Amino acid sequence: GAVVSQHPSWVICKSGTSVKIECRSLDFQATTMFWYRQFPKQSLMLMATSNEGSKATYEQGVEKDKFLINHASLTLSTLTVTSAHPEDSSFYICSARGLAGLKNIQYFGAGTRLSVL
Amino acid sequence: AQKITQTQPGMFVQEKEAVTLDCTYDTSDPSYGLFWYKQPSSGEMIFLIYQGSYDQQNATEGRYSLNFQKARKSANLVISASQLGDSAMYFCAMREGPIYNQGGKLIFGQGTELSVKP
Repeated sequence: GAVVSQHPSWVICKSGTSVKIECRSLDFQATTMFWYRQFPKQSLMLMATSNEGSKATYEQGVEKDKFLINHASLTLSTLTVTSAHPEDSSFYICSARGLAGLKNIQYFGAGTRLSVL
Repeated sequence: AQKITQTQPGMFVQEKEAVTLDCTYDTSDPSYGLFWYKQPSSGEMIFLIYQGSYDQQNATEGRYSLNFQKARKSANLVISASQLGDSAMYFCAMREGPIYNQGGKLIFGQGTELSVKP
């Protein structure tokens, strides 16, 4: 399958600081990228969808000023958690989808574990 | 609105035996896709298998097969000859709309934790 790289895999930060997470599609052009959040033993919750060159579409209840998403190129999307607080601690996973055949499979990065102290 | 339900929080299976993970869905869109992903403890989501709503045959990928019963709105995953490395969380997911379109959101079920016993 296609490869999606997510970095960093693990980050610890102090409350009030901002954290940037990168998501790259390595062997295909990702026309659409998605950001999910996952709490322990729970399912993935879609936070936002972004298309290259346009503003992200956020799901209901997700603060767009808190979670800034940029999809500047067909291979890179970034999620910035601004002024992070302990309640933002979670597992964040990006996903990318391109014109990879008729199935349009979504491929996922390995995730980023964010701990806010 | 689309909905995915996995009613088995946890499952155990003996190594080398087959196991079925249940998934039911609800949608009013006649065109949709069903997916299964595996999430090991490392956290990455690994794509396993896909079934389109208009596909006539059940999808198979190696040891994975999807038992698609459209009238019942179920898309169960069957893993044959279980291996210790199959121990993981398994998520069923659905996306509405024609599969070749770029739109549509992938919505996940609650997941089933599979444990393979030696």
